[in-house]
Amino acid sequence: ELKVEQNPLFLSMQEGKNYTIYCNYSTTSDRLYWYRQDPGKSLESLFVLLSNGAVKQEGRLMASLDTKARLSTLHITAAVHDLSATYFCAVGRNTDKLIFGTGTRLQVFP
Amino acid sequence: NAGVMQNPRHLVRRRGQEARLRCSPMKGHSHVYWYRQLPEEGLKFMVYLQKENIIDESGMPKERFSAEFPKEGPSILRIQQVVRGDSAAYFCASSLLGQLNTGELFFGEGSRLTVL
Repeated sequence: ELKVEQNPLFLSMQEGKNYTIYCNYSTTSDRLYWYRQDPGKSLESLFVLLSNGAVKQEGRLMASLDTKARLSTLHITAAVHDLSATYFCAVGRNTDKLIFGTGTRLQVFP
Repeated sequence: NAGVMQNPRHLVRRRGQEARLRCSPMKGHSHVYWYRQLPEEGLKFMVYLQKENIIDESGMPKERFSAEFPKEGPSILRIQQVVRGDSAAYFCASSLLGQLNTGELFFGEGSRLTVL
């Protein structure tokens, strides 16, 4: 059974600092997603990663995928308050549904 | 092109009542997924449907829960005889490709069910 783990679960960081969120999954996968969720809101798609070594960047966020290590990272550069949210990774395999990680609640303070 | 539309956004039910949650996928999408999110948790897959067919219902509780996606109209997630543990946010997502999907799932705003 495919399992997805994220760490840390909670992250409090100062504005301007850098940090990385990790997403590990248990079996082979052919696609990995990163989503952002604000409190009481829906999920916003950030990145779709489809192949080993894939790297995508949008603003202060950069996501990468290592399928051999079954690991994806979401790197935050020079954090700002607007990035405060919960971030989820989700993994899919073949025609299976997406399996979501537990989420990382990020809070950025001045 | 409207996004995934869910209604109601908020629903309050007393124990034993029925809850019906509706989802209209994005235009042109024929694949619908339902997920449940308990407070402070991630999303848990419930069911995957195509028009008139249930493809994967491995995440659905065996009793009281059912889902459909008729040829015409929205997808419906139905919960009979609700209990307090059913209180959660229920998200619907749609996709264009479904099988062998390498694209995105587009999520609705969610329906938040509260059982008193």
